[in-house]
Amino acid sequence: EAGVAQSPRYKIIEKRQSVAFWCNPISGHATLYWYQQILGQGPKLLIQFQNNGVVDDSQLPKDRFSAERLKGVDSTLKIQPAKLEDSAVYLCASSSFPNRNTEAFFGQGTRLTVV
Amino acid sequence: DQQVKQNSPSLSVQEGRISILNCDYTNSMFDYFLWYKKYPAEGPTFLISISSIKDKNEDGRFTVFLNKSAKHLSLHIVPSQPGDSAVYFCAANLLPGGGADGLTFGKGTHLIIQP
Repeated sequence: EAGVAQSPRYKIIEKRQSVAFWCNPISGHATLYWYQQILGQGPKLLIQFQNNGVVDDSQLPKDRFSAERLKGVDSTLKIQPAKLEDSAVYLCASSSFPNRNTEAFFGQGTRLTVV
Repeated sequence: DQQVKQNSPSLSVQEGRISILNCDYTNSMFDYFLWYKKYPAEGPTFLISISSIKDKNEDGRFTVFLNKSAKHLSLHIVPSQPGDSAVYFCAANLLPGGGADGLTFGKGTHLIIQP
């Protein structure tokens, strides 16, 4: 079974530029999550999708961050414009649903550096 | 406001001995707890979980204990092996409702197994 795929692995941009990350979840997983992990911290949930609908985006900074999951499979997370404090690893995860008490599977993440 | 706390940033244990990683939480609405293991440059991988209706769950060398009254859980690894050297994240999930089930993570504990 293929895992969660993310690209790119690394990205360096200047502040005020825009950037986009892509995620392909495990086949058949209806639930997809984006997490932000700042150095020295645990992952923080940004947004959760159930198929192509948003379930929770309460911690997404909507003035600069946006995410979509068209067709309920792949997802993209965008930051526009980026700030220095957005430097972090962005992790995508997926899980099967409605068995909620199942673990989420994480991708390798995209490491973003904003300079 | 850290709802899941891992107060030990690092822990060093001799190979073959027991490793005990601790986690405290403040939100009494958490009802499902997970431990994830993370190697450098990789995404977190699921290790073991426990529901709030249990006080112990065991899987091979890994055992998780939950003390609901103290809002405390711990992960025991015995015997510890060199491959166990990694960062361990404690994570918690809220009671079901509305479909949102993103995880709340602690900051992690870096476990180092000494030969």
